[in-house]
Amino acid sequence: AQSVTQLDSQVPVFEEAPVELRCNYSSSVSVYLFWYVQYPNQGLQLLLKYLSGSTLVKGINGFEAEFNKSQTSFHLRKPSVHISDTAEYFCAVSAHTGGFKTIFGAGTRLFVKA
Amino acid sequence: DVKVTQSSRYLVKRTGEKVFLECVQDMDHENMFWYRQDPGLGLRLIYFSYDVKMKEKGDIPEGYSVSREKKERFSLILESASTNQTSMYLCASSFPHWDTNEKLFFGSGTQLSVL
Repeated sequence: AQSVTQLDSQVPVFEEAPVELRCNYSSSVSVYLFWYVQYPNQGLQLLLKYLSGSTLVKGINGFEAEFNKSQTSFHLRKPSVHISDTAEYFCAVSAHTGGFKTIFGAGTRLFVKA
Repeated sequence: DVKVTQSSRYLVKRTGEKVFLECVQDMDHENMFWYRQDPGLGLRLIYFSYDVKMKEKGDIPEGYSVSREKKERFSLILESASTNQTSMYLCASSFPHWDTNEKLFFGSGTQLSVL
């Protein structure tokens, strides 16, 4: 079975500051990793994903994430945030087996202040 | 554009009622999922299906059942609705593999209130 832990439920940050949203996972098999974003009153959108290869993946809106297998982490980063990045961010894991079911973390609410 | 359509945006039901939530996708996806989203708990997987008539329990299947008679349609059933099932329900679909173009496609959600 897989599980996902998002270590921060809320992250307040000032505009133009860097941000890191932390995600740890556990799994007995190899996994694929994802970050989804949900803007206020909108549906979930894929931000980025790690399938294989380079451990640093770049996504939309200037976000990137680094897969660290030894630490079972997939932290999301952005060097300079904007007010429009205010949203809830979900880390997700999908196993290489079992029909590729996808498990989500509890979410991190990013609040960007002017 | 891929569409995952959930039949109702808002639904109000009474305790004890049998509730059907319908989801239809138009991408010929093998995988379909039902999640519920609650503040502070994120998305929790209720059931998923990787083929017609196939289903597997997710992390919180108690009080729910599902039906997948056709590939494009995945129904979530609350046999006897209870107030703790008040939540936002999200349906999603995908192919049974991940590549650079694949992701979960979500419906717009059904906000269910059980009174």
